[in-house]
Amino acid sequence: DVKVTQSSRYLVKRTGEKVFLECVQDMDHENMFWYRQDPGLGLRLIYFSYDVKMKEKGDIPEGYSVSREKKERFSLILESASTNQTSMYLCASVRTVNQPQHFGDGTRLSIL
Amino acid sequence: QKEVEQDPGPLSVPEGAIVSLNCTYSNSAFQYFMWYRQYSRKGPELLMYTYSSGNKEDGRFTAQVDKSSKYISLFIRDSQPSDSATYLCAMKPRGATNKLIFGTGTLLAVQP
Repeated sequence: DVKVTQSSRYLVKRTGEKVFLECVQDMDHENMFWYRQDPGLGLRLIYFSYDVKMKEKGDIPEGYSVSREKKERFSLILESASTNQTSMYLCASVRTVNQPQHFGDGTRLSIL
Repeated sequence: QKEVEQDPGPLSVPEGAIVSLNCTYSNSAFQYFMWYRQYSRKGPELLMYTYSSGNKEDGRFTAQVDKSSKYISLFIRDSQPSDSATYLCAMKPRGATNKLIFGTGTLLAVQP
């Protein structure tokens, strides 16, 4: 079974802080994704990566950046956290584009 | 208009009922269709994955795709309280894109 592990289940940070969310997958998948999930809006893609050091913007990249230094790890960075970034953040991975994505359990992030 | 529409519910049914969950979509290029189940405070887990039109059955779950009507369904037979969750549909076109398009999810409650 694919295992996608997100480092924190719950996180509380302050406005203006730099926030790091970490995701690790154990199946040697090429493709990794970061989503945020908000009530009534569903899942929205922030960034994805199709290889080490490669990244592409999703639908809502503003205020975020990502890092993929190793194949198994994909980090989401909030450069200067704001209250409208309070959300559930989900990481996913997949080997090839026509396979279904596998998700971690999410990080519920609150920005105060 | 959203590319994928899904009734948010909540849908409340008695234990043992047959449940029908549905999504409509507007992009005729969608070829891959998925259903995910998401329990409260957990990440989405893959339930069903189908390519193009037709039916797919797995235990109590049946996924149907009607491409002519741009309509997909998930049926749950003999529903159990443990089926209470949010159900997300997701889809993507054939080709190199990594992007999945998600519905906003339907909240299902199965009453014992």
